[in-house]
Amino acid sequence: DTEVTQTPKHLVMGMTNKKSLKCEQHMGHRAMYWYKQKAKKPPELMFVYSYEKLSINESVPSRFSPECPNSSLLNLHLHALQPEDSALYLCASSQDGTSGTILKYEQYFGPGTRLTVT
Amino acid sequence: AQKITQTQPGMFVQEKEAVTLDCTYDTSDPSYGLFWYKQPSSGEMIFLIYQGSYDQQNATEGRYSLNFQKARKSANLVISASQLGDSAMYFCAMREANLFKAAGNKLTFGGGTRVLVKP
Repeated sequence: DTEVTQTPKHLVMGMTNKKSLKCEQHMGHRAMYWYKQKAKKPPELMFVYSYEKLSINESVPSRFSPECPNSSLLNLHLHALQPEDSALYLCASSQDGTSGTILKYEQYFGPGTRLTVT
Repeated sequence: AQKITQTQPGMFVQEKEAVTLDCTYDTSDPSYGLFWYKQPSSGEMIFLIYQGSYDQQNATEGRYSLNFQKARKSANLVISASQLGDSAMYFCAMREANLFKAAGNKLTFGGGTRVLVKP
């Protein structure tokens, strides 16, 4: 099973709402990622979890709050978002590469959640 | 300075012809990996091919091959016998070893090249 699943596929929320994006993988990967992607741009890394611990936070505003409840699940909690936060949010997973010994750890991506903030 | 540069924002290619997508990179780490991903309009990023900095041979995966020129720091993707389903955005990405550092999990993407295959 080389699948990363994400729910929901589409989400429309107001600026005062609280919502969560969910991501799941069953490949035994110990690194999980959240990316934000605007139209016609490359994905921008937001957060990385390594062995269920937050290892990278790319200076993301606190209205985005990640959570890794276990090695298979990754959540992104959203609160008080702005219209400019509308984007495709991609989850990915890979073997953990922080040992630096092997580089061919491709990231497997989910289908993404298209978020619209009104 | 950008670590990954893709100079072709968009390209047209005739069905059944080959197309080369350019990618240049910048790193001082001797140990790194280069990846190509395809992103159709549906949004999912699909891994295509990998080249390691110490690999002696150019990588190939089916119709995809990577023209790796280490001294020039380029890793161009060649798609042979283009098909209509190859129409998509293509991203080049790099992972540096960053031994024992959190950044070892970081993938840096280029700006992408949009390919449109014409029948």
